[in-house]
Amino acid sequence: RKEVEQDPGPFNVPEGATVAFNCTYSNSASQSFFWYRQDCRKEPKLLMSVYSSGNEDGRFTAQLNRASQYISLLIRDSKLSDSATYLCVVNGRPGGSYIPTFGRGTSLIVHP
Amino acid sequence: SAVISQKPSRDICQRGTSLTIQCQVDSQVTMMFWYRQQPGQSLTLIATANQGSEATYESGFVIDKFPISRPNLTFSTLTVSNMSPEDSSIYLCSVLGTSTYEQYFGPGTRLTVT
Repeated sequence: RKEVEQDPGPFNVPEGATVAFNCTYSNSASQSFFWYRQDCRKEPKLLMSVYSSGNEDGRFTAQLNRASQYISLLIRDSKLSDSATYLCVVNGRPGGSYIPTFGRGTSLIVHP
Repeated sequence: SAVISQKPSRDICQRGTSLTIQCQVDSQVTMMFWYRQQPGQSLTLIATANQGSEATYESGFVIDKFPISRPNLTFSTLTVSNMSPEDSSIYLCSVLGTSTYEQYFGPGTRLTVT
């Protein structure tokens, strides 16, 4: 089983739609969780951290389910500019290091 | 946050040669990472570079092929040695935030080996 797994997509949605991505992780001792956004031919950029209580930033909501070992990202009212690859990142490896592990990313295409 | 620059931004190199990529950070950071990202793929960690110690390489990457320097808390280099076309990729450096462990990435170096 991979350490961090994501559905690569692509998720093809119309403007205004709500779309959700999940990401599962294998290390139950993981401590920090993030969603990054990567545009084509650009470096990844932090979208939001994921807290145990869940957190919201405008149209974006992130949630953590430790029992089932997954994190989610919900995007409401999708915009064309949301088209990108969304990377799930989990910090912490067996043994206690803070080395981040990236999922392979989920591609989102928002069309008019 | 941290602002990171990388040089060169891109290069086209002949097989058998070596290229050194520089990564400069605008603040002092303990942990720096070097990643490779091939087209359509996610990021693959090459090594972790901490100042004052040897770099720690991930499985499949060795120091002879990817020597790393970390002379101070704001700078690191990655050398891609004896290049082959399979080394064509984007190479990214990143640093770890000190308080919340988020990562900041440089803009990447796009390497093509012919």
